[in-house]
Amino acid sequence: NAGVTQTPKFQVLKTGQSMTLQCAQDMNHEYMSWYRQDPGMGLRLIHYSVGAGITDQGEVPNGYNVSRSTTEDFPLRLLSAAPSQTSVYFCASSYSGRAGQPQHFGDGTRLSIL
Amino acid sequence: AQKITQTQPGMFVQEKEAVTLDCTYDTSDQSYGLFWYKQPSSGEMIFLIYQGSYDEQNATEGRYSLNFQKARKSANLVISASQLGDSAMYFCAMREYFGTASKLTFGTGTRLQVTL
Repeated sequence: NAGVTQTPKFQVLKTGQSMTLQCAQDMNHEYMSWYRQDPGMGLRLIHYSVGAGITDQGEVPNGYNVSRSTTEDFPLRLLSAAPSQTSVYFCASSYSGRAGQPQHFGDGTRLSIL
Repeated sequence: AQKITQTQPGMFVQEKEAVTLDCTYDTSDQSYGLFWYKQPSSGEMIFLIYQGSYDEQNATEGRYSLNFQKARKSANLVISASQLGDSAMYFCAMREYFGTASKLTFGTGTRLQVTL
């Protein structure tokens, strides 16, 4: 069972470069989201999507774009990488956006911006 | 104010003993969900247990139980019969309605170390 798949697992970028973090799920989940994890700060919500074609901002959206053209995929784009975006990024999905639904996480992407 | 507060940055417990990881939360919503996730050193986030705000009984999943005290706004995780493999970071999280859906807010985590 693939679940939530994130690629790449590791990436090093130079300041100013752009890149896309990929996220795909095979569970037919409507709700998908991106988090970043920084030391001592837990996970913070970047963007989320309640279904194909619908996205919205989370707590820390600046510097990131998302789109949701299909139910399965939810890519996260860094427009112009900055050292402050060095972090571990997690994609998560759940059947719906209801509060009682646990989110299932991918294995994360460790991103370093030099 | 912090939405989720985990006051124990680190905890030690001996193998086979029980341990309680503390979590308090802050919300004015009536409908919300409380979750615990485990993050081992390999980095993945593993869902452990869920408690709904309207659930009257404490949730249990194997060796994990959630001590839910709604009036105190606490949702402590109890791990019984600790095992070496329980050594990890543990995150408490609350899912509450946000805009058109709901979002998960995490605490800063507790690092649990199980010793022989």
